[in-house]
Amino acid sequence: EVQLVESGGGLVQPDRSLRLSCAASGFTFDDYAMHWVRQAPGKGLEWVSGITWNSGDIIYADSVKGRFSVSRDNAKNFLYLQMNSLRAEDTAFYYCAKDRELVFAGLDVWGQGTTVIVSS
Amino acid sequence: SYVLTQSPSVSVAPGKTARITCGGNNIGSKSVHWYQQRPGQAPVVVIYYDSDRPSGIPERFSGSNSGNMATLTISRVEAGDEADYYCQVWDSSRARLVFGGGTKMTVL
Repeated sequence: EVQLVESGGGLVQPDRSLRLSCAASGFTFDDYAMHWVRQAPGKGLEWVSGITWNSGDIIYADSVKGRFSVSRDNAKNFLYLQMNSLRAEDTAFYYCAKDRELVFAGLDVWGQGTTVIVSS
Repeated sequence: SYVLTQSPSVSVAPGKTARITCGGNNIGSKSVHWYQQRPGQAPVVVIYYDSDRPSGIPERFSGSNSGNMATLTISRVEAGDEADYYCQVWDSSRARLVFGGGTKMTVL
């Protein structure tokens, strides 16, 4: 069964850092690009970041560029999101999602998500 | 930046057909993916590459894409179809995934 399990969310003060992890199983991890997508309370989906199968292309939404960093460990089947200089507007449910391609196209599997709350 | 426009809400009676639209400049030249998100759940893809349906998704779900509009059509609507629906494309010119604002479908 294809599965994505996020972890690392929690309550964090503004300007602090947090690292999200996503454990992948049930598919050949290094055959696919991966993404982070977030959803603020009561709002729609917002794409955050994507990384191709070999980390050759890494892209970010303007709202997080320079503050967030995505990476992957294909040996361990893990995706990460390092979030620095967190702001109140980063408060959201964060989903890890698998692309259906090596590069960027569309998302075919989503994790259940992890909550990030940025508040003093 | 590329913008996808969805109507905020649509209401449909059980057994009827729902059409959820996603507008974008020359969206017909892009591949559109549709996601269903039921309350409290993670999104699930219901249509990919404009009109392909993943295994496990009922044939009642179909998609089309042409010109400046993509459409998700749900035939013989059931109560369990009540959810938020999002369209998504890959914007190659700006190297980012783009989501529409979402349409909340209510089954009357």
